[in-house]
Amino acid sequence: DAGVIQSPRHEVTEMGQEVTLRCKLISGHNSLFWYRQTMMRGLELLIYFNNNVPIDDSGMPEDRFSAKMPNASFSTLKIQPSEPRDSAVYFCASSLGQRWGSPLHFGNGTRLTVT
Amino acid sequence: AQKITQTQPGMFVQEKEAVTLDCTYDTSDPSYGLFWYKQPSSGEMIFLIYQGSYDQQNATEGRYSLNFQKARKSANLVISASQLGDSAMYFCAMSLDDTGNQFYFGTGTSLTVIP
Repeated sequence: DAGVIQSPRHEVTEMGQEVTLRCKLISGHNSLFWYRQTMMRGLELLIYFNNNVPIDDSGMPEDRFSAKMPNASFSTLKIQPSEPRDSAVYFCASSLGQRWGSPLHFGNGTRLTVT
Repeated sequence: AQKITQTQPGMFVQEKEAVTLDCTYDTSDPSYGLFWYKQPSSGEMIFLIYQGSYDQQNATEGRYSLNFQKARKSANLVISASQLGDSAMYFCAMSLDDTGNQFYFGTGTSLTVIP
């Protein structure tokens, strides 16, 4: 079975540009998480969805960040306009969402560099 | 409040030896799941092992075992017969709530296996 697929793997952009990160969930999973990882702050949960519905977006840094889940298998995270402090590795993860025994399965991440 | 604590920023182990990575957790909820993830230098997050709060036996997965001491609220990862490929960051995580959608990660332990 294919795992969680993220694209692109690397993104380099200039400050002020729009960035869109993409994620394809594992088939049959119904929970989707977006994380950001930096050396300073470690892993931070940005937002998670359950059955395509955003449940908790309290981790989204500010209005420049938005996430959508247009269908059960796909999600996007958009940053507009991007800033250098957004540089990080962004992970998407999915799970079966069945109680506390469901591990998160992570994609390979997108390394974003904003200059 | 910190829910997952990993007190060892870095650990070294000789190849073929066993190593224990510490993890303590904080919750008053009787139902929870505990997980360990490996993040090699290539960046992906790999799920290693799971322990449920009601599980009587310690979880094992190949060379990985989880030393679960409920009264002490600890969930240490034991890696037996260390290999060079085990060099990586290791994250302990806990899942709460009955949908399993609240994950808390520790700050990680960097393990280096010495030949």
